[in-house]
Amino acid sequence: ELQLVQSGAELKKPGESLKISCKVSGYTLPHYWIAWVRQMPGKGLELMGIIYPGDSDTRYSPSFEGQVTISVDKSISTAYVQWSSLKASDSAIYYCGRMYGSAKGGIDYWGQGTLVSVSA
Amino acid sequence: QSRLTQPPSVSGAPGQRVTISCTGTSSNIGAGYDVHWYQQLPGAAPKLLIYDNNNRPSGVPDRFSGSKSGTSASLAITGLQVEDEANYYCHSFDTSLRGSGIFGGGTKLTVL
Repeated sequence: ELQLVQSGAELKKPGESLKISCKVSGYTLPHYWIAWVRQMPGKGLELMGIIYPGDSDTRYSPSFEGQVTISVDKSISTAYVQWSSLKASDSAIYYCGRMYGSAKGGIDYWGQGTLVSVSA
Repeated sequence: QSRLTQPPSVSGAPGQRVTISCTGTSSNIGAGYDVHWYQQLPGAAPKLLIYDNNNRPSGVPDRFSGSKSGTSASLAITGLQVEDEANYYCHSFDTSLRGSGIFGGGTKLTVL
């Protein structure tokens, strides 16, 4: 069964660092782009960036460039997004998803989401 | 500000037909890129509803259909059911976004 399983909820303080994960199973990670999507409380979906695990080609949406780092560890079939210094405005649910076909494709499988809360 | 514009809300009675529009620009839908649609039920992760403009993944009822023309796309839902009440998002590739894509702002469907 194809699955994307994300790490658990996080409660952090402003200025702290964080790395959340997305472990895939049921398919070969290097062959499909992975997308990271933010959903702030009560708001819509925002595409943060995408990564092709085969060669680590990474593309960030302009709003997220320099704010987060997307990476992948093919050896353990896991993708990551990390922050070096969290802000309260980073509080959101973060989803990973598999993009079929290409970087222009839709997201056909989604993780369950990781809730990140940043508060002093 | 999203470059894919959706109406904030639509509504319809059970059994009716509703459509949700997604208006893009010459750097996304107008450039010929495919449009994908997602349904997000309350408290759940999004689910792919329509891919490549008008294709349904296995398991999605044929009450859901998609179309695209020019710089716009539409999602149509016929035979509206109470369980269709959800948020719906369109998604497309955008050449101005450094090789990434973009979501529409989302549309809340209320089944009256």
